[in-house]
Amino acid sequence: EIVLTQSPATLSLSPGERATLSCRASQIVRGYLAWYQQKPGQTPRLLIYDASNRATDIPARFSGSGSGTDFTLTISSLEPEDFAVYYCQQRASWPLTFGPGTRVDIK
Amino acid sequence: EVQLMESGGGLVQPGGSLRLSCATSGFRFSDYGMNWVRQAPQKGLEWISYISSGSGNIQYADSVKGRFTISRGDARNSLYLQMNNLRDDDTAVYYCARSVELQFHIWGQGTRVTVSS
Repeated sequence: EIVLTQSPATLSLSPGERATLSCRASQIVRGYLAWYQQKPGQTPRLLIYDASNRATDIPARFSGSGSGTDFTLTISSLEPEDFAVYYCQQRASWPLTFGPGTRVDIK
Repeated sequence: EVQLMESGGGLVQPGGSLRLSCATSGFRFSDYGMNWVRQAPQKGLEWISYISSGSGNIQYADSVKGRFTISRGDARNSLYLQMNNLRDDDTAVYYCARSVELQFHIWGQGTRVTVSS
């Protein structure tokens, strides 16, 4: 099973700041990594698929990069609605796995 | 509009069974792979099962293998999850999710399953 590790566990930032979230895989997943956002009480939403492709209707301030085992989700300038939990997910092999999440809090 | 709506959750005793359903609309259901993903209270996301278009490829997480069965009814545009021998740690919100290349583009609102005596 591919284990995904996300860091930091919590990121405390102010609106307008840049957020950089990391996801590291225990094995090579090539570019087969997605990022999701989940706000309290809401359903997860796909942000990025295949490491760097923005999903439908996702603002350009969200970007993804990386390949192999190390990936990054960047939010260029935090908006109030971006404070949430972010999960990465790999599709390189079964079982599909998620990381434990990074919570982005308002500082 | 694409919609997924889960139903069938509830309170069940350990060792009991439940059948979850996911009714879909707004897209050609038979063309897509479908999944169940769950989230235990205050915990992260856990993928538990996948069924391909045509049902030729079915996968399970080890945590549910042998106890849960995924199926689909293309004529009814619906996805199902039969859950047997339920345990306390199966308590979670269960989401159905439509996938493209095994990434979850569309999610339902979830149905809550509580396993407790």
